[in-house]
Amino acid sequence: GQNIDQPTEMTATEGAIVQINCTYQTSGFNGLFWYQQHAGEAPTFLSYNVLDGLEEKGRFSSFLSRSKGYSYLLLKELQMKDSASYLCAVILTGGGNKLTFGTGTQLKVEL
Amino acid sequence: KAGVTQTPRYLIKTRGQQVTLSCSPISGHRSVSWYQQTPGQGLQFLFEYFSETQRNKGNFPGRFSGRQFSNSRSEMNVSTLELGDSALYLCASSSSATNRREKLFFGSGTQLSVL
Repeated sequence: GQNIDQPTEMTATEGAIVQINCTYQTSGFNGLFWYQQHAGEAPTFLSYNVLDGLEEKGRFSSFLSRSKGYSYLLLKELQMKDSASYLCAVILTGGGNKLTFGTGTQLKVEL
Repeated sequence: KAGVTQTPRYLIKTRGQQVTLSCSPISGHRSVSWYQQTPGQGLQFLFEYFSETQRNKGNFPGRFSGRQFSNSRSEMNVSTLELGDSALYLCASSSSATNRREKLFFGSGTQLSVL
């Protein structure tokens, strides 16, 4: 089966940098997604990694190491609006659009 | 372009009843997936439809079923509701049938409460 782990909660200060880790154990790995979900809202796409390395997109960056089964999401210059749940999800080869999600990391940004 | 639309937004049912949830994907999207979200389990995959055919199915009992219409709209049905079925049900659409970096677009969900 598949197993995806991420911290349950994190707290950071406005303006700071935070790294949210995600480890996974799967067979037939074909990519990893990060989604952001504000309370009561739909998850929204942040990033997709399928090759090793860092993908940068504005204040958000995502890193993947397939050999280690490890990814992280890096948020820079934190803003209060970044307070949300961050979901790590893996997609498998031949799995269509089926995503296997971790339970999410609730990030709280404080002044 | 309108986003993924789910109706109703909130639903209250009692044990033993059945419920039907509706999802209209983004125009032009042919893949529709359904997920159940609960505080303890996170998002769990229910099933995926593409061109009216079920392509993938998660590990849920047969009480959970779905279908997709020729206009790509999808419905999911839960029969003989149990208290544990209380959850946020999310629908997601994609333009592709395969996982080629095609991100999923999620609707806001239907919050189902079973009393």
